[in-house]
Amino acid sequence: DTEVTQTPKHLVMGMTNKKSLKCEQHMGHRAMYWYKQKAKKPPELMFVYSYEKLSINESVPSRFSPECPNSSLLNLHLHALQPEDSALYLCASSPARWGSDRSSYEQYFGPGTRLTVT
Amino acid sequence: DAKTTQPPSMDCAEGRAANLPCNHSTISGNEYVYWYRQIHSQGPQYIIHGLKNNETNEMASLIITEDRKSSTLILPHATLRDTAVYYCIVRGRLYGSGNTGKLIFGQGTTLQVKP
Repeated sequence: DTEVTQTPKHLVMGMTNKKSLKCEQHMGHRAMYWYKQKAKKPPELMFVYSYEKLSINESVPSRFSPECPNSSLLNLHLHALQPEDSALYLCASSPARWGSDRSSYEQYFGPGTRLTVT
Repeated sequence: DAKTTQPPSMDCAEGRAANLPCNHSTISGNEYVYWYRQIHSQGPQYIIHGLKNNETNEMASLIITEDRKSSTLILPHATLRDTAVYYCIVRGRLYGSGNTGKLIFGQGTTLQVKP
């Protein structure tokens, strides 16, 4: 299985809602990532987990709360989002431990969750 | 990490080679050149990477100039399915640090393969 899966594919939520995005991989990868991609823009890194521990938070607002309950699963909890948070949220994983030379070139991305905040 | 410059868009005829340039004039000696692509409505896909030697895999070839200030990604026989945004990324090696070597995507080149 060489796939990163993300659910849901699409999500529409109001500014007062709480929702979660889910990412799963069964490749034995130990680094997992969340990226945000606005329309017609490149992906931007949000968070990195290495061995289920948060390694990097790119100064993301606290209304985004990541969670890595086990080595295969990555969640992104959303609360009190703003319309400008509407974007494609991409999950990725890589086989090597974050901080090693291989952690970048073998990132495997999921198809993303398209989020609309109304 | 060094900054990269790519043309915003390119066209290529189906079956012909697509040559995508990337300038990275401030690259330092320990920085790698990576290429990813993003087909519409999909996540980015790793293509190839290199340090100073030319590299080839089943998807593409990467030619890096001797001074390492620029590189070219070559898709030898482009197909319609190669239509995508191609990102050239330069990043350093990592030695135990979790805050370096992140993937920083630039604007990329939109390659349109035409029949």
